[in-house]
Amino acid sequence: QQQVKQSPQSLIVQKGGIPIINCAYENTAFDYFPWYQQFPGKGPALLIAIRPDVSEKKEGRFTISFNKSAKQFSLHIMDSQPGDSATYFCAARGNSGAGSYQLTFGKGTKLSVIP
Amino acid sequence: DVKVTQSSRYLVKRTGEKVFLECVQDMDHENMFWYRQDPGLGLRLIYFSYDVKMKEKGDIPEGYSVSREKKERFSLILESASTNQTSMYLCASSIRGTGGSNEQFFGPGTRLTVL
Repeated sequence: QQQVKQSPQSLIVQKGGIPIINCAYENTAFDYFPWYQQFPGKGPALLIAIRPDVSEKKEGRFTISFNKSAKQFSLHIMDSQPGDSATYFCAARGNSGAGSYQLTFGKGTKLSVIP
Repeated sequence: DVKVTQSSRYLVKRTGEKVFLECVQDMDHENMFWYRQDPGLGLRLIYFSYDVKMKEKGDIPEGYSVSREKKERFSLILESASTNQTSMYLCASSIRGTGGSNEQFFGPGTRLTVL
């Protein structure tokens, strides 16, 4: 049972393009939605995160859009650069009990930004 | 600078061997996690611990056990390694509180090959 569905599995864009990665969830108890970025040979690292009381959060070139009614959220990368080439994971965290410690991850999107 | 270290970057073991993967964090975090990462499957939680000597099963605990005798150290044990446990293993840690981001900090991973 996959609780966070992520798409696409891979994505290739030209430098300067705007890749968009989408995630959908079913559990309405989720209350925190982070995105992690992973470069080859490294562990994932927190990139940006959002709570469901806002519809958008922007940090530099990275923006999360959140649609609570649709239970969907997405990551947009403005003016993408070759250095953004990495695997991106969306995740969600529960709001009570052991679920408040755990993150449920999507399956990841491998982004390649070509010069 | 926060740090999660894993005892080995690469490990090759034989079927049936007992395997220990060690993880140490220097951030005084209460929570520690073990994930495995496989292509197309994302990050799957094996076990986590929210306190010394405490452990909780994640999504795929079968074939694994864990030990947390000290706050900073969390060990993953493969009692009898099998070829289907060939994977990348990632350790992470986070603070316990639910009011903040509970950002998980990841180690660099151990790539385990079971022959």
